Amino acid sequence: KQEVTQIPAALSVPEGENLVLNCSFTDSAIYNLQWFRQDPGKGLTSLLLIQSSQREQTSGRLNASLDKSSGRSTLYIAASQPGDSATYLCAATETSGSRLTFGEGTQLTVNP
Amino acid sequence: ETGVTQTPRHLVMGMTNKKSLKCEQHLGHNAMYWYKQSAKKPLELMFVYSLEERVENNSVPSRFSPECPNSSHLFLHLHTLQPEDSALYLCASSQVGFAGYGYTFGSGTRLTVV
Repeated sequence: KQEVTQIPAALSVPEGENLVLNCSFTDSAIYNLQWFRQDPGKGLTSLLLIQSSQREQTSGRLNASLDKSSGRSTLYIAASQPGDSATYLCAATETSGSRLTFGEGTQLTVNP
Repeated sequence: ETGVTQTPRHLVMGMTNKKSLKCEQHLGHNAMYWYKQSAKKPLELMFVYSLEERVENNSVPSRFSPECPNSSHLFLHLHTLQPEDSALYLCASSQVGFAGYGYTFGSGTRLTVV
């Protein structure tokens, strides 16, 4: 059974800092890995998706990497802004593509 | 409308009531899901429908009853719920068989059982 762990559980940084969120998964036979953002009381917004054959994806100030052999993914946020404050969730899709397993998330606060 | 739409956004119901949550996806995806998000817990997968057929039911109590009449619509029928069922219920869709397409989530229904 796939298990996904995210470290740290919470992170508070001053505006402008570059930061890294970590995600690890126990079963390397994944279909893809997806990073989401969730604002309080809201649904999930997809940020980046990395297919199992890829090593990284970039969107604006966000960069996500994937290392299947070590069971790790990182989300790098450059020049953080207060608007980046949210919970960030990592989720791994099993090989059939129909089951998504989530980590517990990292709650990020960017202070002005 | 685009993406995944959920209604209602908020729902308060008594333990003896019957209500339904609705989800509609406008993405042409072939799979739809219900997830439950309780405070301080990871998202829990409740039901999976792939090509309109239920393929997974994660030991969810029978007071939750899903319905998928077609590939674009998904319902969650609720009856005789318990206070511990209060949570954010999220609907999602995906295109199974295409690794380049991820999940798209709706905004959720915040359910409070009183």
